[in-house]
Amino acid sequence: AQRVTQPEKLLSVFKGAPVELKCNYSYSGSPELFWYVQYSRQRLQLLLRHISRESIKGFTADLNKGETSFHLKKPFAQEEDSAMYYCALRGGGNKLVFGAGTILRVKS
Amino acid sequence: DAGVIQSPRHEVTEMGQEVTLRCKPISGHNSLFWYRQTMMRGLELLIYFNNNVPIDDSGMPEDRFSAKMPNASFSTLKIQPSEPRDSAVYFCASSYKGATTEAFFGQGTRLTVV
Repeated sequence: AQRVTQPEKLLSVFKGAPVELKCNYSYSGSPELFWYVQYSRQRLQLLLRHISRESIKGFTADLNKGETSFHLKKPFAQEEDSAMYYCALRGGGNKLVFGAGTILRVKS
Repeated sequence: DAGVIQSPRHEVTEMGQEVTLRCKPISGHNSLFWYRQTMMRGLELLIYFNNNVPIDDSGMPEDRFSAKMPNASFSTLKIQPSEPRDSAVYFCASSYKGATTEAFFGQGTRLTVV
């Protein structure tokens, strides 16, 4: 079975502070992992995917198969990063499941 | 392409009534997903289709929920009869079934059952 766990409902940090949004997954096969973001009044959209090993808007995420984790990190939070963040796992047959989401609130 | 289009954007209905949500995926995409978003449970996968065929409907909460995809450009999610606990935002997403492709989401339908 595919499962994604995001343990924090809300993460509140000050501007300029480091951010880490946690994501753990459960999947017996080789996972494809993603982070999606939903800004206020906007559609849910892809932020980054593990296979690309990219940095988008200063965010990075590393797949750790040993810990079955895909945490999202940014060294210095900005107010415009405030949004809902979802971790997602795509498994066999193109099935795409999401975690419960974490609200990131960046305070000035 | 205007992206994934959902209608209606908002729906308010009385308990016991039938509700039909509609989705037009991006042209050329061959996977379509229906999700329900609530504060308590986040984004739950209800059902998804590959090439218009339902692959996994294990997330559909009850027999009151049904989904169809009669062709590659249209899908519906029906709730009959609706109940107050069905109140949520329902999202449709589509993607191309291939390596590393992303899913594109519609703007969602906010359903309120009173």
